[in-house]
Amino acid sequence: ETGVTQSPTHLIKTRGQQVTLRCSSQSGHNTVSWYQQALGQGPQFIFQYYREEENGRGNFPPRFSGLQFPNYSSELNVNALELDDSALYLCASSSRTGQSTDTQYFGPGTRLTVL
Amino acid sequence: DAKTTQPTSMDCAEGRAANLPCNHSTISGNEYVYWYRQIHSQGPQYIIHGLKNNETNEMASLIITEDRKSSTLILPHATLRDTAVYYCIVRVDRGGADGLTFGKGTHLIIQP
Repeated sequence: ETGVTQSPTHLIKTRGQQVTLRCSSQSGHNTVSWYQQALGQGPQFIFQYYREEENGRGNFPPRFSGLQFPNYSSELNVNALELDDSALYLCASSSRTGQSTDTQYFGPGTRLTVL
Repeated sequence: DAKTTQPTSMDCAEGRAANLPCNHSTISGNEYVYWYRQIHSQGPQYIIHGLKNNETNEMASLIITEDRKSSTLILPHATLRDTAVYYCIVRVDRGGADGLTFGKGTHLIIQP
């Protein structure tokens, strides 16, 4: 069984740039959630994708957007980067069947530094 | 989702049982208790979850009080590799937006 993978591991960008982070879900999972973790804080929910559509969003502005592909992998895009976007970005996959959602399993994260 | 309260930090001797408490006094009847841990700069690792009954797996045991207002995660024989931040989360098992709400967690330090 393949776990959740994320790429790249580390990334350095400058203010105003755009960034794309990638996530491959665990085999058998159809739902992907993205989280932002600032230094010293717990992860904060950004949004979730199910059936290639955004399905739930946390308190993040529209410049945070995403995609989910038919193979359930996902991208997180952040436009107009700000210094405060520097964080560990985590992807978690889970399996949704009917009205219930299974446990979320996290990838290793992408460390984004904005200069 | 209900709010949880955990101690900021705890110490435990290697080889001893580590008991991590969590208060969730406003938990609803359909909310599960989940535990994750995060070793420095890695992604959170799922440990265990439960609704009403006590649960045990290869990593830990979860003890939930009868009124469900608190729970304890037990690592039976702590090792140095168990040093991590442990998060207690309560959430509804539902088909809608399913973001986990993380607090600050408990920083568990295993002492040699």
